[in-house]
Amino acid sequence: KAGVTQTPRYLIKTRGQQVTLSCSPISGHRSVSWYQQTPGQGLQFLFEYFSETQRNKGNFPGRFSGRQFSNSRSEMNVSTLELGDSALYLCASSLYSGTSGANVLTFGAGSRLTVL
Amino acid sequence: AQKITQTQPGMFVQEKEAVTLDCTYDTSDQSYGLFWYKQPSSGEMIFLIYQGSYDEQNATEGRYSLNFQKARKSANLVISASQLGDSAMYFCAMRDIYGNKLVFGAGTILRVKS
Repeated sequence: KAGVTQTPRYLIKTRGQQVTLSCSPISGHRSVSWYQQTPGQGLQFLFEYFSETQRNKGNFPGRFSGRQFSNSRSEMNVSTLELGDSALYLCASSLYSGTSGANVLTFGAGSRLTVL
Repeated sequence: AQKITQTQPGMFVQEKEAVTLDCTYDTSDQSYGLFWYKQPSSGEMIFLIYQGSYDEQNATEGRYSLNFQKARKSANLVISASQLGDSAMYFCAMRDIYGNKLVFGAGTILRVKS
């Protein structure tokens, strides 16, 4: 079956612009989470959506936002881009949110954002 | 707060040999899950293995096994019979039962030599 699809894969923006990234989860998966990966800070949790509701949010400024649609597809938006927003943004989907079982998060290939 | 520590920034291993990647964790939760992911240079995170905090047996998935020592709060990944394709960054991560927030370690770069 198809994996997690993230678009676009690469993009270049300038400071002050905004960007929207898209994530299509594996069919049947209802949870989508987003992570930012940078060389300096490593992998950091941005937020998680489950059944169109934000379940959890990481420690990021309000410029970072997201949403989930009824078909479980998710978008994240970053407004007023800063140089430090340059990163690989990874989306992960899973069947459920949490639970004590494996409930494996399957990641997409990421969207690499460069802010000039 | 949960924390994951991976103390080995980089490791080398000879092809066909076994290698252990270290991971220690800190949490006050009783129920949690531990994951290992592999990230090749392409960027995609590939799930390798999972260990639940109440699982009595160490997890195994093919050439991957997890050496889980709960009292020491360690969850080391063992890769047997290393292959050139195992060269990648490896991340240890922890999740509680309330959501899908993963806390990642800094990662270990593994290089397999022929």
